[in-house]
Amino acid sequence: DTGVSQDPRHKITKRGQNVTFRCDPISEHNRLYWYRQTLGQGPEFLTYFQNEAQLEKSRLLSDRFSAERPKGSFSTLEIQRTEQGDSAMYLCASRDLTSRTDTQYFGPGTRLTVL
Amino acid sequence: QKEVEQDPGPLSVPEGAIVSLNCTYSNSAFQYFMWYRQYSRKGPELLMYTYSSGNKEDGRFTAQVDKSSKYISLFIRDSQPSDSATYLCAMTPRGGYQKVTFGTGTKLQVIP
Repeated sequence: DTGVSQDPRHKITKRGQNVTFRCDPISEHNRLYWYRQTLGQGPEFLTYFQNEAQLEKSRLLSDRFSAERPKGSFSTLEIQRTEQGDSAMYLCASRDLTSRTDTQYFGPGTRLTVL
Repeated sequence: QKEVEQDPGPLSVPEGAIVSLNCTYSNSAFQYFMWYRQYSRKGPELLMYTYSSGNKEDGRFTAQVDKSSKYISLFIRDSQPSDSATYLCAMTPRGGYQKVTFGTGTKLQVIP
């Protein structure tokens, strides 16, 4: 396990469908973050977990979005009733709280296209 | 006004040139500064990080932070075609949950 992994890498769905993404952080990283990146923009923070607790949610995370990290390891991000505006790259990052640096390590992302 | 401003480019330079990438920020709480490189359709990859004002060098890359001016830079020496990517500046306060705030990214193309 050398990095953050995300699945699927690409998802194409029709408007109104539900989608779920998975993120597996670096082993023993207790903090996990979700970001959204649209074309030509930097990633924008959505939410983060410390172990299994979801400690912060951005106002960007509408009621149609829900994230979980049930056992403090992998996390899922679900979008219900997808809209075309949800099309973006969804990035997951993790960080080790015991590390001396504040660096977050990113996965390859899940690219969502809503038709 | 965004907390972090970054010129989106694109920036085209010939191979071997020195590249200067910059960001300005408005939030004085930012204490930890990072540069990420992102290739097309990939996740961001950490290049460098620094806590303090001054310079930090790593190979062909130099990161510079001027907290008094709220201005950070990344210099790339002897640029290579493989450096062609989008460069994102990022920053966060120390402590707390440390949400990272990113610039929009500068797209760099190094022409052989």
